[in-house]
Amino acid sequence: DQQVKQNSPSLSVQEGRISILNCDYTNSMFDYFLWYKKYPAEGPTFLISISSIKDKNEDGRFTVFLNKSAKHLSLHIVPSQPGDSAVYFCAASLAPGGSQGNLIFGKGTKLSVKP
Amino acid sequence: ETGVTQSPTHLIKTRGQQVTLRCSSQSGHNTVSWYQQALGQGPQFIFQYYREEENGRGNFPPRFSGLQFPNYSSELNVNALELDDSALYLCASSSPQGPLNEQFFGPGTRLTVL
Repeated sequence: DQQVKQNSPSLSVQEGRISILNCDYTNSMFDYFLWYKKYPAEGPTFLISISSIKDKNEDGRFTVFLNKSAKHLSLHIVPSQPGDSAVYFCAASLAPGGSQGNLIFGKGTKLSVKP
Repeated sequence: ETGVTQSPTHLIKTRGQQVTLRCSSQSGHNTVSWYQQALGQGPQFIFQYYREEENGRGNFPPRFSGLQFPNYSSELNVNALELDDSALYLCASSSPQGPLNEQFFGPGTRLTVL
């Protein structure tokens, strides 16, 4: 039973437009959520995170929104750039406040940003 | 500052064999976590080592075992390999004081079991 779901395997966006990547989860005890970006032949790299006590976190072109009642989070990238083309993973943790613990990942969404 | 490194990059084994994968953690990090990423899936947590002791384990059978050394590097050992063990194995290092967003991943070892 998958606790973190990314239902879109792929997404194609034009350069300069907004990319919206979605993630749903089933466990209401998740306390911390993260987005990772992964290029081929590299490990996942941390992008942005959000605590369950917040509904929005922004870092430059990247914004994560959390809707706890819907058990849904989304990553917005504005404006999208060709270098953003990668696989994006949503991950969740039961550990409070993002303290140490293991991560539970979704299957990932492959984003392609076309020039 | 040296990042997380893993060896080997690629490995081919046959069913029933044993394999050892290695991970060197980032400087200053004493916690290492191992993940398995099967094709088309997200990484799945195998286990975590902190100060040479196992500190949490995911839903993997006992033939998956690990070690952490005094220099905080780590090994993942898999016995009696099965075809389904074919995957990318990722290790991630962190410090216990740091938040999860400071868990840094290595590039992974691609294991193919024939």
